Amino acid sequence: QKEVEQDPGPLSVPEGAIVSLNCTYSNSAFQYFMWYRQYSRKGPELLMYTYSSGNKEDGRFTAQVDKSSKYISLFIRDSQPSDSATYLCAMSQGGFGNEKLTFGTGTRLTIIP
Amino acid sequence: DTAVSQTPKYLVTQMGNDKSIKCEQNLGHDTMYWYKQDSKKFLKIMFSYNNKELIINETVPNRFSPKSPDKAHLNLHINSLELGDSAVYFCASSQGYGYNEQFFGPGTRLTVL
Repeated sequence: QKEVEQDPGPLSVPEGAIVSLNCTYSNSAFQYFMWYRQYSRKGPELLMYTYSSGNKEDGRFTAQVDKSSKYISLFIRDSQPSDSATYLCAMSQGGFGNEKLTFGTGTRLTIIP
Repeated sequence: DTAVSQTPKYLVTQMGNDKSIKCEQNLGHDTMYWYKQDSKKFLKIMFSYNNKELIINETVPNRFSPKSPDKAHLNLHINSLELGDSAVYFCASSQGYGYNEQFFGPGTRLTVL
């Protein structure tokens, strides 16, 4: 069993729809939770991060963490064609020597105009 | 201004050859990483260096040897290339420990024939 499992997709939704992306994890030591966005043939870029259970909002994006269920989600409201990309959840224990990111397998999202 | 740069962007080579990938960051970060992304987009840590010192070595074959001449550079040398080494290799950097955003380079697409 992988430490981080992510809904594989691919996912295609019409423009303007609400998108929900999800990951579960098994390692209770994870303290930091991130969502990266990766456009085709580019490096991942950080979209959002959080370290506590609850919701964090940034514009059209909301990151949700439930540590008791070991479940994280990313919601995208009013989705745009420019949101079409692969979304990777990532987690870290933090602390010296534990900065490495453990990634989910990614969900490829296509927003249809 | 490129934050994390990698050279070359593409690398096509024959099995058995030795090749190097170079990474440089101009962010003043003290920690650098190598990640491997396979054909299914799964991104996995290989190594991390902090101030030129190896911190993480994620059970990577001995054919892979990272070298950090200074904290702004982290190179990856691969000996006796195998077909399974074909992947996209990403360099990343971050500052300090705990949680700090990792900035990724554009990737080097390695194809072994």
